[in-house]
Amino acid sequence: GQQLNQSPQSMFIQEGEDVSMNCTSSSIFNTWLWYKQDPGEGPVLLIALYKAGELTSNGRLTAQFGITRKDSFLNISASIPSDVGIYFCAGQTDSNYQLIWGAGTKLIIKP
Amino acid sequence: SAVISQKPSRDICQRGTSLTIQCQVDSQVTMMFWYRQQPGQSLTLIATANQGSEATYESGFVIDKFPISRPNLTFSTLTVSNMSPEDSSIYLCSARLNTEAFFGQGTRLTVV
Repeated sequence: GQQLNQSPQSMFIQEGEDVSMNCTSSSIFNTWLWYKQDPGEGPVLLIALYKAGELTSNGRLTAQFGITRKDSFLNISASIPSDVGIYFCAGQTDSNYQLIWGAGTKLIIKP
Repeated sequence: SAVISQKPSRDICQRGTSLTIQCQVDSQVTMMFWYRQQPGQSLTLIATANQGSEATYESGFVIDKFPISRPNLTFSTLTVSNMSPEDSSIYLCSARLNTEAFFGQGTRLTVV
């Protein structure tokens, strides 16, 4: 099925570093959602974005809804070990309540 | 937000048998979804289950293989029928509350 282009696929970072990942699409979305999934768990919603240009924070996480409505990014500042996991973006159009998913970004923190 | 309880959390099943996965939501929701996810991969939508109507299946998934029930606004089941090793995967239920989707913890299924 249709997927968003999410990058990078994986990231190896040092604790304390900032992290940035993004998703792009050829289609316009009205909602962007960012999720984190830990091993053995379901995805947990981190941030929801509803308007083009919207910038929203959740603690050390910041996400933006691209002005073209075809992209979004997620930043994590000052990463800590519990940030390890897989991050997914998901987009939605109003005409279809289904979510279109990115392939995920696996975050690994170097010891 | 919505809290979603999914069970079993994992199971090992013999090929040819069927497994029913249950999903309970702590809020009344119109739309529920069932996904399949290979470890480390993205989510693939199996079907949309709205209360009061037949489930809508995505391409590659059929009702005979993945029958779904949606008896009320807080509960749904997915059955994986006549299982084969290729059905080994993580199955996730999801509920839509307002504009946001929430997930159960998943069912890790291994077919031997």
